Amino acid sequence: QVQLQQRGAGLLKPSETLSLTCAVSGGSFSGYYWTWIRQPPGKGLEWLGEINHSGGTTYSPSLKSRVTISLETPKNRFSLRLTSITAADTAVYYCARGSGVAAVPFYTYWGQGSLVIVSS
Amino acid sequence: QSVLTQPPSASGTPRQRVTISCSGSSSNIGRNFVYWYQQLPGTAPKLLIYRNNQRSSGVPDRFSGSKSGTSASLAISGLRSEDEADYYCASWDDSLSAVLFGEGTKLTVL
Repeated sequence: QVQLQQRGAGLLKPSETLSLTCAVSGGSFSGYYWTWIRQPPGKGLEWLGEINHSGGTTYSPSLKSRVTISLETPKNRFSLRLTSITAADTAVYYCARGSGVAAVPFYTYWGQGSLVIVSS
Repeated sequence: QSVLTQPPSASGTPRQRVTISCSGSSSNIGRNFVYWYQQLPGTAPKLLIYRNNQRSSGVPDRFSGSKSGTSASLAISGLRSEDEADYYCASWDDSLSAVLFGEGTKLTVL
């Protein structure tokens, strides 16, 4: 059974950099698109971006200047980095496995979610 | 940023049929598949419907999806108390080059 296990800091200060990792187990790491999605408290889902097994990335236009998604293939992990964070970045962050095709919101496996709070 | 419009709320009584709409445009729903997710409180979203009308593995046939032009709908028949959740539509947008989620619809089973 495919499992995604998230790790990362929970409380950050404004202007700091958010870093989260997602470890994948129980299935192939290659051949899929790996995605980060977030959800502010009480609000809807927001797609942040995706990365394929070759390292090719697509980011949300609204966050493109601040977000980086990267792979650690030998460790079956991928990571999210969001710079210059503000209170508006407070959210539950989810990692998810997409399909083998780009640009398709087909997410069958999700991480447990990581609550990140940005506060001074 | 979402340009997929959903009603904020929907409700129904047990055994009733409810539908949730998702309105987009020619750059997203009009050209691409629609996906539907169910999110129970405190949990990660779960894929219900993919490619407009295909049920994900294990999803009861009470759930069905459809698409027409730039709009899509999720129908739930034989409503049950455990269907009370938030529902989101999603689609790729060719103009934005991004995945869009709808604003979400909170379904209440009365």
